[in-house]
Amino acid sequence: AQTVTQSQPEMSVQEAETVTLSCTYDTSENNYYLFWYKQPPSRQMILVIRQEAYKQQNATENRFSVNFQKAAKSFSLKISDSQLGDTAMYFCAFAGSARQLTFGSGTQLTVLP
Amino acid sequence: ETGVTQSPTHLIKTRGQQVTLRCSSQSGHNTVSWYQQALGQGPQFIFQYYREEENGRGNFPPRFSGLQFPNYSSELNVNALELDDSALYLCASSFGQGAEQYFGPGTRLTVT
Repeated sequence: AQTVTQSQPEMSVQEAETVTLSCTYDTSENNYYLFWYKQPPSRQMILVIRQEAYKQQNATENRFSVNFQKAAKSFSLKISDSQLGDTAMYFCAFAGSARQLTFGSGTQLTVLP
Repeated sequence: ETGVTQSPTHLIKTRGQQVTLRCSSQSGHNTVSWYQQALGQGPQFIFQYYREEENGRGNFPPRFSGLQFPNYSSELNVNALELDDSALYLCASSFGQGAEQYFGPGTRLTVT
């Protein structure tokens, strides 16, 4: 069974600064996907970024980028130029061959003005 | 393009009752997954439906059941409600066996 661990329950960052959220996972599969989802107080789970395990290049979406270390089973999210609207709970998620998502416990990010 | 929709938004039920939650998938998506998110926790996978067949199930008892219809919309049914069933229920849709899932706004179920 897969497990996803987010060891930072809460983090804060000043507006316009950069912050990195950590995630580690455990799996015996070789082909899988990793995701970061954002859940603001509205509860809607929003896909932020995805990474295919077979790709060595780290994914980037505008201000969001990941540092994917397959051997270390690490998948961190970097948010550059943080904005107040980035305040949310962030979940790291894994999808293997079964295509069901396994989520971490989340990191509550607060962007301070 | 229509996103994932869920109904109702909120629901209050009494222990022992039965409840049905509904989900319409994003246009073009034929796979629906259901997740339970307890307060302060990450979502837990309940089950997935692909082309009207159950295609995977998490560690949930049989009183959690589902359906997928020919238009790919889906229902989650929970019988004999327990207090611990109080949670946010999230529906997500995807295309085929694709891993990328898009979520609806959720249904908040409270069992008293």
